Amino acid sequence: AQRVTQPEKLLSVFKGAPVELKCNYSYSGSPELFWYVQYSRQRLQLLLRHISRESIKGFTADLNKGETSFHLKKPFAQEEDSAMYYCALSGEYGNKLVFGAGTILRVKS
Amino acid sequence: GAGVSQSPRYKVAKRGQDVALRCDPISGHVSLFWYQQALGQGPEFLTYFQNEAQLDKSGLPSDRFFAERPEGSVSTLKIQRTQQEDSAVYLCASSLAGQGARGNTIYFGEGSWLTVV
Repeated sequence: AQRVTQPEKLLSVFKGAPVELKCNYSYSGSPELFWYVQYSRQRLQLLLRHISRESIKGFTADLNKGETSFHLKKPFAQEEDSAMYYCALSGEYGNKLVFGAGTILRVKS
Repeated sequence: GAGVSQSPRYKVAKRGQDVALRCDPISGHVSLFWYQQALGQGPEFLTYFQNEAQLDKSGLPSDRFFAERPEGSVSTLKIQRTQQEDSAVYLCASSLAGQGARGNTIYFGEGSWLTVV
């Protein structure tokens, strides 16, 4: 079965502190992993995907197949990073997304 | 418009009432998805269309839920005899490519907030 687990409902950090949002997944094949972000009063939007291996807004995420994890990291949090973050996966045969429950990131000044 | 558009944005329905939620995907997008998001949860897949064909309806919770996309563009999600547990945000999403295309970006609408009283 496909499953995405985000163990933290809320992560609160101070501005300038490092951030790590945890994501673990369960999937028997070769999934594609994503991070989606939802800022206040905005729609859900793609932040990054593992196949791009790029940094978006200072965020990076590395797919660790051994640990089945796809944690989202940023070395120095900014107040504008405050948002809801969802980890998601899709399988080989379709682009249907399976989402985690989400983590609220709150960056305090 | 530039993005996925959904209407109504907010709907209050009395228990037992039928509701219809509309989705206008990005023009030219082949794939269209419906998701249900309950309070405090991530979006959960309901159904998938490739053009006008409904290829996956495995996530529809009961036969009270019905979706269509007759001309391969606009889609409607219909919920019959609504119940309180149907209260959620219903998200529509679209993408350019069809099923099986990896690296395909999925774009979401703002959602239709349904409250059943």
